Amino acid sequence: EAGVVQSPRYKIIEKKQPVAFWCNPISGHNTLYWYLQNLGQGPELLIRYENEEAVDDSQLPKDRFSAERLKGVDSTLKIQPAELGDSAVYLCASSLAPGGGGGDTQYFGPGTRLTVL
Amino acid sequence: KQEVTQIPAALSVPEGENLVLNCSFTDSAIYNLQWFRQDPGKGLTSLLLIQSSQREQTSGRLNASLDKSSGRSTLYIAASQPGDSATYLCAVVNYGGSQGNLIFGKGTKLSVKP
Repeated sequence: EAGVVQSPRYKIIEKKQPVAFWCNPISGHNTLYWYLQNLGQGPELLIRYENEEAVDDSQLPKDRFSAERLKGVDSTLKIQPAELGDSAVYLCASSLAPGGGGGDTQYFGPGTRLTVL
Repeated sequence: KQEVTQIPAALSVPEGENLVLNCSFTDSAIYNLQWFRQDPGKGLTSLLLIQSSQREQTSGRLNASLDKSSGRSTLYIAASQPGDSATYLCAVVNYGGSQGNLIFGKGTKLSVKP
C-alpha cells in the first residue's frame, strides 16, 4: 500500500516568491492534515480537512497561506508571498476516520523542506 | 492551552541498554496519546497509540504507559539497538473543538552507540 506522497521534497526560493506543496493521501483516507515543523520543534497543525471541507484552519496564517482539497483527495498548500520565517518542513498526514479521526493513527508523508533566501 | 513537554531533549546510550523517554502534558482531558519516531529528513512513523481509557500499549521491544490523571506518559525501549537512533515525539489529541488534532512535544533525540 502506498503511503502519503508529497512533492516536491525540497524547495529553495527567494523571499516574496510564491510556492506550492502537493499532497496525495493514502487511498480511502477521509481526513487530511497539513503540519509545519520548525527545526528542533514538534509539528504544529496548520489545517485539517474532512473530505473537501476545511474543518479546522484556525492556525493557518490566512494573509499569506492558502490550501485546497479538491474532490476530497489531493491537497495543495500555497504560500504567497513567502517570507524568511517560512523556512521549515511542511508535513502532510492522513487518517481513515471522518469526524476528526481522534481515535485513528495519522500517517505522515516525508515532508517538503522549504528554504526561503 | 495544552502543552506537551518531553524530557530529556537528547539521550545517548550504549547498545543493549534499556531506556525510558518521558512525556508530560498539562491538560488531562485527552482523547489519546501517541508516540512517533522521526528519522532525519523523513516523516513521522507512528509507534504506539494509547486511548485515554488504556494504561499501556506494547509493540515488540517498545512499551508505552499512560497516567492520564498525572499527565504523564513514558516510552520504554528494551535492549536498545543502533537502529533505534532517531527522534521520538509524543503527541496528544484533546477532547473538544480540536478533536483529531495532534499536539506535539519537541521530541527526544536518541542516539544508540554500537
